[in-house]
Amino acid sequence: DTGVSQDPRHKITKRGQNVTFRCDPISEHNRLYWYRQTLGQGPEFLTYFQNEAQLEKSRLLSDRFSAERPKGSFSTLEIQRTEQGDSAMYLCASSRLWAPTLTDTQYFGPGTRLTVL
Amino acid sequence: GENVEQHPSTLSVQEGDSAVIKCTYSDSASNYFPWYKQELGKGPQLIIDIRSNVGEKKDQRIAVTLNKTAKHFSLHITETQPEDSAVYFCADTKGSQGNLIFGKGTKLSVKP
Repeated sequence: DTGVSQDPRHKITKRGQNVTFRCDPISEHNRLYWYRQTLGQGPEFLTYFQNEAQLEKSRLLSDRFSAERPKGSFSTLEIQRTEQGDSAMYLCASSRLWAPTLTDTQYFGPGTRLTVL
Repeated sequence: GENVEQHPSTLSVQEGDSAVIKCTYSDSASNYFPWYKQELGKGPQLIIDIRSNVGEKKDQRIAVTLNKTAKHFSLHITETQPEDSAVYFCADTKGSQGNLIFGKGTKLSVKP
């Protein structure tokens, strides 16, 4: 078990540029979540996947954001036309759904810190 | 809407003392309550969790209590050590959807 990994760990970009982040979940975890965390706040839910299906999106996920998990393994989060307000830590978490009625435990990666200049 | 309130926002204790952090949730359907520890520059690390069919859970120096009637749950850390210094987050969720709602965090400082 190597844990959740994220790449890159840090990204600095200019306003208007597109950025893409990658998350590799714990092996065999079928659920993958994306959260955003700004300074001094708790993580805020963005979206999640069960296998390759994107099942829920937060209202925080504007149309400039898109997430994919094409083969049910790693996931990418893309932000188009970045704005200064997008500066935050983007966290990925994964879990294994044991049963439909049982809430799964989420394990977080180290995050990608995005700075938009 | 759903929210989780967490208090205090900062907590300073002497090494060896106990620390208590409290959270209140709003959604009576919430059924899972994890606690995460986050160190500077790192992702949140799960330290303990509790489900709604249990009132208390303990793991060495860490314990969590849940009062479903009052809709609040608390983290208790005994015999604190300097390495316990970090930001602690409570969270809740409901059903099988899984998306966590986090509190705003408590910055715990343990002074040697």
